[in-house]
Amino acid sequence: ETGVTQTPRHLVMGMTNKKSLKCEQHLGHNAMYWYKQSAKKPLELMFVYSLEERVENNSVPSRFSPECPNSSHLFLHLHTLQPEDSALYLCASSQDTLRSGVAQYFGPGTRLTVL
Amino acid sequence: AQTVTQSQPEMSVQEAETVTLSCTYDTSENNYYLFWYKQPPSRQMILVIRQEAYKQQNATENRFSVNFQKAAKSFSLKISDSQLGDTAMYFCAFMKQVGGGSQGNLIFGKGTKLSVKP
Repeated sequence: ETGVTQTPRHLVMGMTNKKSLKCEQHLGHNAMYWYKQSAKKPLELMFVYSLEERVENNSVPSRFSPECPNSSHLFLHLHTLQPEDSALYLCASSQDTLRSGVAQYFGPGTRLTVL
Repeated sequence: AQTVTQSQPEMSVQEAETVTLSCTYDTSENNYYLFWYKQPPSRQMILVIRQEAYKQQNATENRFSVNFQKAAKSFSLKISDSQLGDTAMYFCAFMKQVGGGSQGNLIFGKGTKLSVKP
């Protein structure tokens, strides 16, 4: 275990549903990340939070809405998703984003299927 | 923009043998960091090894070592004495030096699926 947990591990939802993914880190880190992992594509960075402030949004559609209430928790709110949004969504954390070369620690991911 | 290329989608190795996974990257930066991550089937992605570009010495972690060739922009991972538990996807990743508006973001390759056979 890396100290980063994600719930749920699996999620199936219809295109009209609203759901949320949760990530929690127990490492005392200040930065948290959402990634999308699709088959045969590199991991795509979606959002970066540093000290609870969003510092990067990689042109992600508005149907994905992140929330970081504190440095230990990160949410990804989902609404009106498309089938092509089906993927493994990974959360990661690191000490911070302002120090070079800091490693990121990943959660187990949420396997999302959009019907 | 930086890119990371892993040219071997799949590889296999016999248990106890040595295997090398290749990774090349493209960047105009002089200072940066390189990583190898391992993602076992249905398990969490974990950091295997980390290399600082300004260090000439190749990083080593137990059975895992890298061959870092800065001029060639190559960063291969060697796994010695392969074990069944090494079966996983292996991702090479690049991180720029922080500064000038750049955060510590990782850029990943597509991965190499390694199978260790008994």
